[in-house]
Amino acid sequence: EIVLTQSPGTLSSSPGERATLSCRASQSVSSSYLAWYQQKPGQAPRLLIYGASSRATGIPERFSGSGSGTDFTLTISRLEPEDSAVYYCQQYGNSTYTFGQGTKLEIK
Amino acid sequence: EVQLLESGGGLVQPGGSLRVSCAASGFTFSIYAMNWVRQAPGKGLEWVSGISGSSGNTYYADSVKGRFTISRDNSKNTLYLQMNSLRVEDTAIYYCAKVVYVGVALGGGFDIWGQGTMVTVSS
Repeated sequence: EIVLTQSPGTLSSSPGERATLSCRASQSVSSSYLAWYQQKPGQAPRLLIYGASSRATGIPERFSGSGSGTDFTLTISRLEPEDSAVYYCQQYGNSTYTFGQGTKLEIK
Repeated sequence: EVQLLESGGGLVQPGGSLRVSCAASGFTFSIYAMNWVRQAPGKGLEWVSGISGSSGNTYYADSVKGRFTISRDNSKNTLYLQMNSLRVEDTAIYYCAKVVYVGVALGGGFDIWGQGTMVTVSS
């Protein structure tokens, strides 16, 4: 099973700043199958990025994804208060999906 | 409107069984793979099971293999998860989710999620 490790565990930033969230895989992941989600309290997750760098429908341009192999990044430019949430990366491989443990983003 | 609506959650004793359902609307259900994802209280996301659009292929996490069965009825636009031999550690919100890519078994992110149904396993 491919293990995804996200860092940092918690990130505290201010509105207008740039946030960089990392997702590292225990073995190489197909970029087509790497996704990022945002989850707010009491809500279902929302797909932000799929295929490592493609924004899902309705997702603002300030959310971007990059990376390949074992290292992937979600970048949120110009943070807004509503970006406060937990962010998860996810991969598909060997007929199973795995999620990272999540990064909690706090907006000061 | 594209929508997934889960139902069937509840309280069940350890060793018991429960079937949860997910009704889909607003898209061509049969051409997309579907999945179940769960989230224990205060914890992260865990993929549970997936099924191809044609129902020909099913996939399970090791934690539920042999106890849970995923199925779908494309004529009713409904996804199911039959859960047997339930354990306390199966307590979670169960979400159904649609794969973003059309025409593949699994793979790709989940672009549509239901609101979830709570399953509590306790004596």
